[in-house]
Amino acid sequence: QKEVEQNSGPLSVPEGAIASLNCTYSDRGSQSFFWYRQYSGKSPELIMSIYSNGDKEDGRFTAQLNKASQYVSLLIRDSQPSDSATYLCAVNSGGNEKLTFGTGTRLTIIP
Amino acid sequence: GAVVSQHPSRVICKSGTSVKIECRSLDFQATTMFWYRQFPKKSLMLMATSNEGSKATYEQGVEKDKFLINHASLTLSTLTVTSAHPEDSSFYICSARAAGGPYEQFFGPGTRLTVL
Repeated sequence: QKEVEQNSGPLSVPEGAIASLNCTYSDRGSQSFFWYRQYSGKSPELIMSIYSNGDKEDGRFTAQLNKASQYVSLLIRDSQPSDSATYLCAVNSGGNEKLTFGTGTRLTIIP
Repeated sequence: GAVVSQHPSRVICKSGTSVKIECRSLDFQATTMFWYRQFPKKSLMLMATSNEGSKATYEQGVEKDKFLINHASLTLSTLTVTSAHPEDSSFYICSARAAGGPYEQFFGPGTRLTVL
């Protein structure tokens, strides 16, 4: 059973601080990693993808991947109230096109 | 780029009727589309994987005769919920993967189905 684990939260972060979201996965053959943001009542929106070890930055978002530790994280700098949402970690293990999603971490940015 | 639309966004129907949901990739060709269902405060549940021109692959526990999927072109997939019942009420979301692209999926806005 391929699993993706996330802390369900809620995670509360003061506005302007750094929010750190974590995800672990069980399949060592995993090759592609994604972070989606889902607002309440809406569908998921892709915000970051990462394929190799290290950091990948895009604006206020940084994805970090450590394949040896089977760990992927998302950092949100200068957190804004509009960042309040559920963040889904998704992993593709290769061999088929499906993504395995974590259950999501609910993030609340406190003004 | 990478825009996926769904229609309708919301539908209310009587028990026993069938409902068709359309999923379109607007600015890219999608050889593969996916259909998910999400209950309130629950995680996404993959229902089926749909490839253009071939039969859909359903996840374990999903009734293929109840949830009919057709992927007639590289930009359109449809999900028909047949003989809908109140327990089918849910948020149905499609996603698409670009032909030849990486494994990232782009999601449509979702369809909220309420069966009375």
